[in-house]
Amino acid sequence: DGGITQSPKYLFRKEGQNVTLSCEQNLNHDAMYWYRQDPGQGLRLIYYSQIVNDFQKGDIAEGYSVSREKKESFPLTVTSAQKNPTAFYLCASSTGGGTGELFFGEGSRLTVL
Amino acid sequence: GENVEQHPSTLSVQEGDSAVIKCTYSDSASNYFPWYKQELGKRPQLIIDIRSNVGEKKDQRIAVTLNKTAKHFSLHITETQPEDSAVYFCAASKGAQKLVFGQGTRLTINP
Repeated sequence: DGGITQSPKYLFRKEGQNVTLSCEQNLNHDAMYWYRQDPGQGLRLIYYSQIVNDFQKGDIAEGYSVSREKKESFPLTVTSAQKNPTAFYLCASSTGGGTGELFFGEGSRLTVL
Repeated sequence: GENVEQHPSTLSVQEGDSAVIKCTYSDSASNYFPWYKQELGKRPQLIIDIRSNVGEKKDQRIAVTLNKTAKHFSLHITETQPEDSAVYFCAASKGAQKLVFGQGTRLTINP
């Protein structure tokens, strides 16, 4: 099946620890995105990548890092510098540009204890 | 940069009635306006979109209208059904720029 897969679905971490969320797609999409979803705040863009080996900061990039070494993969690292990391994280992909449909993964819920 | 405001944050309607969700955007150059639906515990999915060269688009019980002068667009759902209960997000973008989402509206359909 074609789609976008995120893992893990649930993740717990202690304060001060870095954690990496996985995002893989087999849709052959050029563009990939990471969003953070908090109640009442919609979907806020963390990072996006329009092509392999290139990525740009979104609106709330502080405390996060990404890499795009392969077209299929766009992992997100939540670092200890992120002050409020507990949230629901959504990865998405598209054919590129701002007018293409976004295909979302099922999300990863991160809880910092 | 672009800013998208969405209202209301919650909406409750009787089954069979219509529901309207409204969004305003700040950048007059924005030209693409999609709507996403997120059912409880599921991923957001595109339900309808409109581009700035048209004023209205319909797909069965769902329609979107765009007023470029006023910089606002709306989602209309007619003959609402229980499966319409979800969180709806509007968004806006221009050209190849990234999408900016509204805050979301939680729609509840009461039987």
